[in-house]
Formats: sequence, C-alpha cells, structure tokens
Amino acid sequence: DIVMTQSPDSLAVSLGERATINCKSSQSVLKRSNNKNYLAWYQQKPGQPPKLLIYRASTRESGVPDRFSGSGSGTDFTLTISSLQAEDVAVYYCQQYYSTPITFGQGTRLEIK
Amino acid sequence: EVQLVESGGGLVKPGGSLRLSCAASGFSFSNACMSWARQAPGKGLEWIGRVKSKSDGGTIDYAAPVKGRFTISRDDSKNTLYLQMNSLKTEDTAMFYCGAGTGATDFDYWGQGTLVTVSS
Repeated sequence: DIVMTQSPDSLAVSLGERATINCKSSQSVLKRSNNKNYLAWYQQKPGQPPKLLIYRASTRESGVPDRFSGSGSGTDFTLTISSLQAEDVAVYYCQQYYSTPITFGQGTRLEIK
Repeated sequence: EVQLVESGGGLVKPGGSLRLSCAASGFSFSNACMSWARQAPGKGLEWIGRVKSKSDGGTIDYAAPVKGRFTISRDDSKNTLYLQMNSLKTEDTAMFYCGAGTGATDFDYWGQGTLVTVSS
C-alpha cells in the first residue's frame, strides 16, 4: 500500500499570509505512460463532505479560487494557499489514486492565527 | 448539478448487517467510477472500495479491512450505488460517503454522507 504522510498536522496562519502543506508518498505516484501524477488535494470544512481542490498534483478543479495551487512530482507534493482567507479554515487531505488501495494522508488542520 | 444522496445508515448491533444506497444525478452515472469512503468520528478519510464503469471493465476493488464483509454493487438503470455491509464491528462506526469519479479522480464529487453506528 502507498502510505501518504502530510506535514504539518496543524497549521495557524494569519489572514492574507501564505499557507503551505506538504504531502509525501511512500512510492512514486507518477505514471510514466502519460507523465501524470495521480495525486489530489481535498478540503473538508466542519460538518461537510470533502471537496476536490486539485488533481493530477497541479490542476485546479473548476470553480476553485486561484489562490489554491498544487505542485510537486513523484513522491513530494505541496498545496499552497497564496493569501489565506477566513473561509479557508478546514482540514486538508492529500490522496493518491495511482493504485488501489487508494490512500489519504492523515490530514492537516488549517486555522487562523 | 451533480447530486449524490446516501441513505440507509443507522444504529446496528455488532455482527449485524446494513445496506447503504447512493442515488446519483446530474452526470452520466453509467460512465462513472463509483466509490465508497468512510470517516470515523474525529478521524481521517478511509477508502472502502470502488466499482468501475462497465465500459471500463466493471471491476470491483476493496480495502483490506472490509474485504469479505462488504460488497459494492451498482444499478446503472437506477443510477444507484450500493454498499452491503455484513458482520459489522464496532470499529466500522463512521460517516459513510459515496464518491463519483467522472474524469479527474475517483472522488470528483462526494455525497453528504450517512452515519453508521455499530454498538450493542
């Protein structure tokens, strides 16, 4: 199984500042046949289901604000929120869908400082 | 608008059974990969399994903790996904979500979830 490890577990950032969340996979999630990373980021607000933000490591889902961006390849990935807004308070999860079992990171709780 | 509506959750005793349903609308259900995930209270997300579309082979995969106890199925004529859960354990207590994969990931869309509580 591919183990996904996020860091940090929690993060407090001031409004308007940058927030960075890291995700590391125990093996590469880069499919050589198409040069795509099978890595997604989800946002989960309290009492709500998760919502897809980023897929293929860096492609923003339709309707997601452009302050959210994803980067990385192979085994190391980053979700960046360029200017934190109050509505971004949530738990963020990375997920690999390169192979089954599909696995999630443990989550990173993002709060306002 | 994509909608996924889970139902069938509730309180069940250890060893009991429950069948969850996920009614889908707003997208081509028959062409979608459909999945289940769960989230224990205060915990992270756990993948349970998925069923691919018939055009993609219709294969079904399960996570190790539920293999042999849970069965995923789909009825494309009813746009509905199912999760039959047998031999339930207290550690199966969770919010159960269905997910639809329409091209980006296996979980492009999520339902609101249905709560399953396994307790004596």
